[in-house]
Order: sequence, then C-alpha cells, then structure tokens
Amino acid sequence: AQKVTQAQTEISVVEKEDVTLDCVYETRDTTYYLFWYKQPPSGELVFLIRRNSFDEQNEISGRYSWNFQKSTSSFNFTITASQVVDSAVYFCALRGIIQGAQKLVFGQGTRLTINP
Amino acid sequence: EAGVVQSPRYKIIEKKQPVAFWCNPISGHNTLYWYRQNLGQGPELLIRYENEEAVDDSQLPKDRFSAERLKGVDSTLKIQPAELGDSAVYLCASSPRLAGGPEETQYFGPGTRLLVL
Repeated sequence: AQKVTQAQTEISVVEKEDVTLDCVYETRDTTYYLFWYKQPPSGELVFLIRRNSFDEQNEISGRYSWNFQKSTSSFNFTITASQVVDSAVYFCALRGIIQGAQKLVFGQGTRLTINP
Repeated sequence: EAGVVQSPRYKIIEKKQPVAFWCNPISGHNTLYWYRQNLGQGPELLIRYENEEAVDDSQLPKDRFSAERLKGVDSTLKIQPAELGDSAVYLCASSPRLAGGPEETQYFGPGTRLLVL
C-alpha cells in the first residue's frame, strides 16, 4: 500500500524565519515519483516540484529547497526567509508506478501560516 | 497557457437534488482526473480518463456518481441524488501525457466547493 504522512498539521512562524515541512512516505514500488503542491486560500493546487526515486539530488529553487532521502523515506520541504505570501496548505504526494497503480496519493497536508 | 477551468466555483443544494460539475483541461492534455477533497484532508482520486476512456473508476461511488468525457476534452461529473456527506471540494486535474509516463505531472483547477444541506 502507498501512504504519505505529513505529521505536522499546522505550523505558524514569523515572517523571515526558515521553516521545514516534513513528509514521510511508504511504498513497495522501486520506481515512484514524489511531489509537493501548494494550496492557497483560492483552492487551486499549485504544482511545486516532482522528484523521481532514482534522483536523490537535493533541489533549490529560490527560497524553496527539497531534501529527498531514500534511506529514511522522506522528502522534506524548506522555505527560507518565509514571507506572508507563503501562507497556504502544502501537500506532499506519491505516485508509485507498479503496485501504486500510478495513482497519486496525497498526505493530509500542513497548514503553514506566516505572521507579519 | 490557460490552466484547468472548472465551473461552477461554488454550489449549494439540498440533499437528494442532482448536481453537475464541469471541467475543461489544459489544451492538449490527454489525461483528466476528478478528485474529491474533504475538509482538512488531501484530495482522493475518483476517476481517471485517458482521452475519452475511463481507465480507473474504482473509487467512484457508482450508485450515485457518474462521469463522462465526450470527445476526450471536457468532462462532467454528476451526483444524483446528493447526500449530506458529499459536501466537499471537487477538483479536476489534467496531465500532458498518458498516466504512467515518466513526465506525467498533474495540474489542478480551482475546484468546485459543494455544500449539501
């Protein structure tokens, strides 16, 4: 079975602080993809990043960075120097190719609030 | 490039009434998905289309839910009759390649927020 766990239900920080959102996944597939999506109050899920299981290189995009560690089945997301506009619900998702039947499975989400 | 379009954005109905949601995917996207998102949870897949064929509807409650994607472009999701527990956000997504392709990433619309009274 595929499962994504985002243990942090809500996080609240002050603007300019760094914040890390945790994501732990379970899958029996050896080939799989991991994703992060942002859901602002408008409701639309905005794609942030996709990672495949064979690429453990960390990625940085502006103030965003992602740490993929297969050994701990984690795919954590860090926002550096947070801004009020970063306030949203963030979802981690997993898609396993074989046993996962290519379905995108989401975690419960982490509600991030950046206070001015 | 226009994103996934959904309408209506909000819908309030009384239980036992029918309701329909419409989705227009990103131009050229073969694969279309319908998800349901309950409050405080992540989206859950209801049905996936590849072109006009429903290739995965295992999680669609078929007694009251139906969907179609005529001509492999726009799609409609219908609930008849609606129940109180159907209150949720219904999200449509599309992806540029057939599901399972290495570059498949799903792009989501703004959703339809349904409230059943």
